[in-house]
Amino acid sequence: DQQVKQNSPSLSVQEGRISILNCDYTNSMFDYFLWYKKYPAEGPTFLISISSIKDKNEDGRFTVFLNKSAKHLSLHIVPSQPGDSAVYFCAASEQDAGGTSYGKLTFGQGTILTVHP
Amino acid sequence: EAQVTQNPRYLITVTGKKLTVTCSQNMNHEYMSWYRQDPGLGLRQIYYSMNVEVTDKGDVPEGYKVSRKEKRNFPLILESPSPNQTSLYFCASSLGGSPYNEQFFGPGTRLTVL
Repeated sequence: DQQVKQNSPSLSVQEGRISILNCDYTNSMFDYFLWYKKYPAEGPTFLISISSIKDKNEDGRFTVFLNKSAKHLSLHIVPSQPGDSAVYFCAASEQDAGGTSYGKLTFGQGTILTVHP
Repeated sequence: EAQVTQNPRYLITVTGKKLTVTCSQNMNHEYMSWYRQDPGLGLRQIYYSMNVEVTDKGDVPEGYKVSRKEKRNFPLILESPSPNQTSLYFCASSLGGSPYNEQFFGPGTRLTVL
């Protein structure tokens, strides 16, 4: 039962254009969402996050949009650069009724982004 | 340099031979976690630890053990490895259990069980 899904295994984009990576989730208790980037032979690195009380968060070329009603989030990269070529993971977290995090991230399957020069 | 280190980076072993993958962080983080990455499945959490002597199961804990005797170390133990535990393993740490604290990942350990 995949609670966080990235339905596009790969995405190919031309340098300078926009990259849009999508993520869907099923657990309505998720309240915090993160994107991680992973290069080959390295561990994932944190990219950007968004709380469920927001619908947009921006950091330089990276913007994450959250649509709670659709249980959907997306990562926009503008403009895309060849150095952005990597695997992108969407992740989600939930807290219990007391506001304590379970300490658990649920990840999607990942999307391989290739940015062509 | 702030980092999470894992050893070994690569390991080939045989079924049933006990092994330990070490994980160490130098950031004084309370929270540590182990994940495995498999094709088409993303990263799945094996175990996590909110603090010393406090550990809990993640999504796929079967066949694994962990311990947290010191804040900086969080070893992953496979008492009797099986081929279905062939995977890429990542250790991660963060300041606390809150998701608002960024998780830092180690470089990964590629394990092959024959």
